[in-house]
Amino acid sequence: EAGVVQSPRYKIIEKKQPVAFWCNPISGHNTLYWYRQNLGQGPELLIRYENEEAVDDSQLPKDRFSAERLKGVDSTLKIQPAELGDSAVYLCASSPGTARGNEQFFGPGTRLTVL
Amino acid sequence: AQKITQTQPGMFVQEKEAVTLDCTYDTSDQSYGLFWYKQPSSGEMIFLIYQGSYDEQNATEGRYSLNFQKARKSANLVISASQLGDSAMYFCAMRSPINFGNEKLTFGTGTRLTIIP
Repeated sequence: EAGVVQSPRYKIIEKKQPVAFWCNPISGHNTLYWYRQNLGQGPELLIRYENEEAVDDSQLPKDRFSAERLKGVDSTLKIQPAELGDSAVYLCASSPGTARGNEQFFGPGTRLTVL
Repeated sequence: AQKITQTQPGMFVQEKEAVTLDCTYDTSDQSYGLFWYKQPSSGEMIFLIYQGSYDEQNATEGRYSLNFQKARKSANLVISASQLGDSAMYFCAMRSPINFGNEKLTFGTGTRLTIIP
């Protein structure tokens, strides 16, 4: 079974530029999450999707961040414009909604560096 | 508010020895779940083990076991017979309350484990 796929793995941009991250969850997983992980910290949830609906986006900085999950499968997270403080690893995760504890399965992440 | 505390920023352990990674949590909910994830240098978070607050027995998954002490609000991860491939960051996380509609995981700051040959 293929895991969560993310691209790109690394991205370096200058501040004020836009950037987008892509995620393909595990097949059959209806729930998709985007996390941000700052250096030396644990991941923090940005947004959660149930199918194509964003059901928890309370931690998403909506002035510059946006996300979409068209057709309830792939998802894209965008930052426009990027700021220096956005440098972090952006992790995508998915969960099946049926397993005990409903553990989340993570992708390898996109490491963003804003110069 | 939910909080996870991992007080060991780094640990060095000799290969083949057992290691315990500490995790304490804070929640006012009665139903919650505790998770441990491993994050190698490649970046992905690998799920290791899960413990529900109402589970009567401590969870075990191969070489991983969770020492769950509910009254002390601790959920320590025990790795038996450590291997070089166990070198990674380890994160404790909590989902509280554990019910449909709340899927948010709260993570600790992690412990970097280094296995010495």
